[in-house]
Amino acid sequence: AQKVTQAQTEISVVEKEDVTLDCVYETRDTTYYLFWYKQPPSGELVFLIRRNSFDEQNEISGRYSWNFQKSTSSFNFTITASQVVDSAVYFCALSEAPGANNLFFGTGTRLTVIP
Amino acid sequence: ETGVTQTPRHLVMGMTNKKSLKCEQHLGHNAMYWYKQSAKKPLELMFVYSLEERVENNSVPSRFSPECPNSSHLFLHLHTLQPEDSALYLCASSQTGTGGDQPQHFGDGTRLSIL
Repeated sequence: AQKVTQAQTEISVVEKEDVTLDCVYETRDTTYYLFWYKQPPSGELVFLIRRNSFDEQNEISGRYSWNFQKSTSSFNFTITASQVVDSAVYFCALSEAPGANNLFFGTGTRLTVIP
Repeated sequence: ETGVTQTPRHLVMGMTNKKSLKCEQHLGHNAMYWYKQSAKKPLELMFVYSLEERVENNSVPSRFSPECPNSSHLFLHLHTLQPEDSALYLCASSQTGTGGDQPQHFGDGTRLSIL
């Protein structure tokens, strides 16, 4: 079974619109870590944020914000006032327990911001 | 200099060729990873090295052979590949290989095409 589901394959928005990328995860561990990565056309995955399972506080970093809800096993990512430079594929990932070497990635959401 | 450097960026090879992918990290990390990224599939973890020891091998065919001579360098030796091996191969590193909370830092990848 897929541990990380990103149901939105592709999203297009017009510049300055807000957009939310969904991520639903599945794990039986009580300690786990969630990540978001951005992959621009150049190919390199860029780390955006890490959240551990004990910290449900939402986080805001500039135009980016993350909503972590254990009750729904979701870790959604919102970009406000989107810009063309935000166009990329965004991956949500899960790591189970300290000591785990495996990051489980979702299939990614391709975001296109239209000028 | 970028944190994780991969060479070559693009590689085209026949099924009978032997080639190697190279990854170098300049971050002082102790763990390195190889991933395979195919279209419309989650990133697949192939190998993990922690302190130059292989700690994970996710049922990867023997035509892929990793080598980690030191904590800064990682190679992926390729021989007798199949057309389905065409993909983007990403290298990553993290501070440790036993902490699931560590973000991974990725290179730009090598786009491999098998003729």
